[in-house]
Amino acid sequence: EAQVTQNPRYLITVTGKKLTVTCSQNMNHEYMSWYRQDPGLGLRQIYYSMNVEVTDKGDVPEGYKVSRKEKRNFPLILESPSPNQTSLYFCASSFTSGGAGEQYFGPGTRLTVT
Amino acid sequence: GESVGLHLPTLSVQEGDNSIINCAYSNSASDYFIWYKQESGKGPQFIIDIRSNMDKRQGQRVTVLLNKTVKHLSLQIAATQPGDSAVYFCAENKGTSYGKLTFGQGTILTVHP
Repeated sequence: EAQVTQNPRYLITVTGKKLTVTCSQNMNHEYMSWYRQDPGLGLRQIYYSMNVEVTDKGDVPEGYKVSRKEKRNFPLILESPSPNQTSLYFCASSFTSGGAGEQYFGPGTRLTVT
Repeated sequence: GESVGLHLPTLSVQEGDNSIINCAYSNSASDYFIWYKQESGKGPQFIIDIRSNMDKRQGQRVTVLLNKTVKHLSLQIAATQPGDSAVYFCAENKGTSYGKLTFGQGTILTVHP
């Protein structure tokens, strides 16, 4: 089944404790992206990747890191999480060359930082 | 600042009616627009997209209209069904990079049987 998977789905952590949210897609998509969703603020793009080893900042990259060492995986790293990073995170991927196109979204990861 | 926004945060319709969801954008350099649907507890789902060289595009029961003169985008859903109840987002690519998307706040569509 074609899908985007994220792990973990739920995470409660403490301020400053490094964490990684994994994202994997099995559709051989070139484009992948991370978003956060907050009430009243909609979806905001954190980072995106047009292909392996090619990443770029979205609108809210501060406090996050990403890597794209292989096509299927695009992990989101929070080196020192803070409470303002409490949010619902979505990973997405798209086959469209040159852009976001028809993105397939993962189920989301709900992160709480205390 | 430059952003994508929505005129109406909520829309209630009767089953079988047509729905129109609106979106305003401010960046004249934007050249690609996408509509997504998000059901409760799920990730967004692609509905339809349109490039700036078009003013209309149709899908299955959906039509997207783009008016570049007034920087306005709309999503029309024909014969709205209860399963169409969701939050609808428009997204804008600002033209500098096709990978970078800015989303609007979302419109809640409620379809009453």
